[in-house]
Amino acid sequence: IAGITQAPTSQILAAGRRMTLRCTQDMRHNAMYWYRQDLGLGLRLIHYSNTAGTTGKGEVPDGYSVSRANTDDFPLTLASAVPSQTSVYFCASSDTPQGAGGYTFGSGTRLTVV
Amino acid sequence: ILNVEQSPQSLHVQEGDSTNFTCSFPSSNFYALHWYRWETAKSPEALFVMTLNGDEKKKGRISATLNTKEGYSYLYIKGSQPEDSATYLCAFDHGNNRLAFGKGNQVVVIP
Repeated sequence: IAGITQAPTSQILAAGRRMTLRCTQDMRHNAMYWYRQDLGLGLRLIHYSNTAGTTGKGEVPDGYSVSRANTDDFPLTLASAVPSQTSVYFCASSDTPQGAGGYTFGSGTRLTVV
Repeated sequence: ILNVEQSPQSLHVQEGDSTNFTCSFPSSNFYALHWYRWETAKSPEALFVMTLNGDEKKKGRISATLNTKEGYSYLYIKGSQPEDSATYLCAFDHGNNRLAFGKGNQVVVIP
């Protein structure tokens, strides 16, 4: 592992199903983030975590939950998927909450809810 | 919701030409301004993190300036090459531990 690993790379999901997107980093970064990217809207923050054991809501948190049990992992869960959650999801991390060194992004998960 | 505007949305540049584009952000409660380069089918990569008014940063042929008092940053590409084709994102941090991204400047360099 080098940087951030996201899994799966892509997924087609039936509406109403539960899904967890995985994100793992090996840089020992304190802060982690989940963004979604939609055409014409840019990257929008879903949830964030400044350090292990803490999480916070971003701009578009509804329908999503996160946990941060340890430094390396930051999974994003869709409890009951809806078609409006079709998007590309990016996990990111930074060495401090203020991201002084910039964010490191994963390669993304393309999710289609049908 | 923080309003981060980037212009122009897209531009085509002839190889060898120089170009620049703008990121506008709220001038109050400024903490940092980030620039990222995002190539198709890849993930965004950090170019610059700028924190001080008047900051100028450079990486190869790409440079950026920052004006926090009036709320704008310019990104310059000197002597554009085809490998510079990408979307350039700016993101504003007003110190709440989260970045607000603009929609990006899509650059296509024509050989």
